[in-house]
Formats: sequence, C-alpha cells, structure tokens
Amino acid sequence: DADVTQTPRNRITKTGKRIMLECSQTKGHDRMYWYRQDPGLGLRLIYYSFDVKDINKGEISDGYSVSRQAQAKFSLSLESAIPNQTALYFCATSDSSSGGTDTQYFGPGTRLTVL
Amino acid sequence: AQKITQTQPGMFVQEKEAVTLDCTYDTSDPSYGLFWYKQPSSGEMIFLIYQGSYDQQNATEGRYSLNFQKARKSANLVISASQLGDSAMYFCAMSSSGGSNYKLTFGKGTLLTVNP
Repeated sequence: DADVTQTPRNRITKTGKRIMLECSQTKGHDRMYWYRQDPGLGLRLIYYSFDVKDINKGEISDGYSVSRQAQAKFSLSLESAIPNQTALYFCATSDSSSGGTDTQYFGPGTRLTVL
Repeated sequence: AQKITQTQPGMFVQEKEAVTLDCTYDTSDPSYGLFWYKQPSSGEMIFLIYQGSYDQQNATEGRYSLNFQKARKSANLVISASQLGDSAMYFCAMSSSGGSNYKLTFGKGTLLTVNP
C-alpha cells in the first residue's frame, strides 16, 4: 500500500465550483505540504504544515486554503475554482526528526482540470 | 533567495551508458540540502538521492550518484548503466531555511530519454 495517498486522482470541474483535494499518509511524518506543478515551471509550494496546529502559506497560496485534520491528513481546498488552477497537485510529507535531511516524499498526484 | 538551474531541457543516452544531468544552485544559507527526484510519464515524484551541504563525500544510491562541487555550486546527477526505465523527467531541488530544512525549491527539470 502507498505511504502517501491522494484523492481524487483526477478531477474535472467548472469555474466557480468548490473543490477539495485530500491527502493521507501512513508514514508517521509530522510535516505535510501541498505543491502544484505546471508545465515548464517545476513544482511550487502552496501551503505547508509542521504539525496539526501549524499552517503556513507557501509562495502561491492565493485562491487556496488548507486544513490539517489530523497528523495524517492534510486537505487542500479551492473555494472558487478558476481555469488557471488547472494543474497537477502533489501532497508531500517529511519527518522533522530525520536527522537533518527532512526528505520530502510525494503522493501520486491529483490532476485537476477547471473548465 | 534560493534558485535551482537545470540547463538541459532534454537529454538522450544509449541503454547501458552513463549520463550526467546538470544542476547548479544559488543560496546564501550555509546549511542546505540538495535532492534529485524522478518523474516518470505516470506522474509520480520519486525521491532518488540527497546530499547535505556539509557532507564530505558524494552521495550514492545504487546506480545514482551525486557529483557535488560546493565551490562551483553544482550538484549533478550521474546515472550509471542506463536502463529503458530511466526515461523520465528529473528534477533537482534544494532545501534551505537557515537550519530547518523544509522549503524545497525545484528546478524546471530535464527530460531524459534512454534509447535501446
């Protein structure tokens, strides 16, 4: 079974709709992240959370919100989706006690299309 | 601000040969980490290898090695004995935040094609 899972894997929605992307992990990591990937731009950080009570904005948080429901669950919401939010979205986790490397491990991604 | 540069949009290599994917970085933090990830056509991001800025030796993981040249601020990935399954996009990334390495900055990637 995958250590980091994302649901849904694919989603097509319309402009103005509210969308929630969910991420769950069984790695026992305390830190979780949301990224989006656009062609030619690499990955960009949307939000990150160091623990359940700690939520931080990344470089492109406008138009997004997050919720850390438990240590293992981190959800990303698009309150009113717009076409330029069409992208591949990744959740990632890391372990702050990993001796300094803090390697991030990624989920399989959610491909979101906003029409 | 941190920056990662991957100057090779695409690379080709023959099966069983070695290939080097270039990565240069820029940071003012004395403590940082360098990572390589592989993204096959199926889309997932797979962690390959890590190098810490204070590590004295180059990192190795199986067929992957990282050629770390600190003075030149380069962290090239070397894949030995390429296999058809190595065909994928490869991303170099750097973490630095003044001691609490968490924020990853990614390059734009290099598309590697392994020819039979």
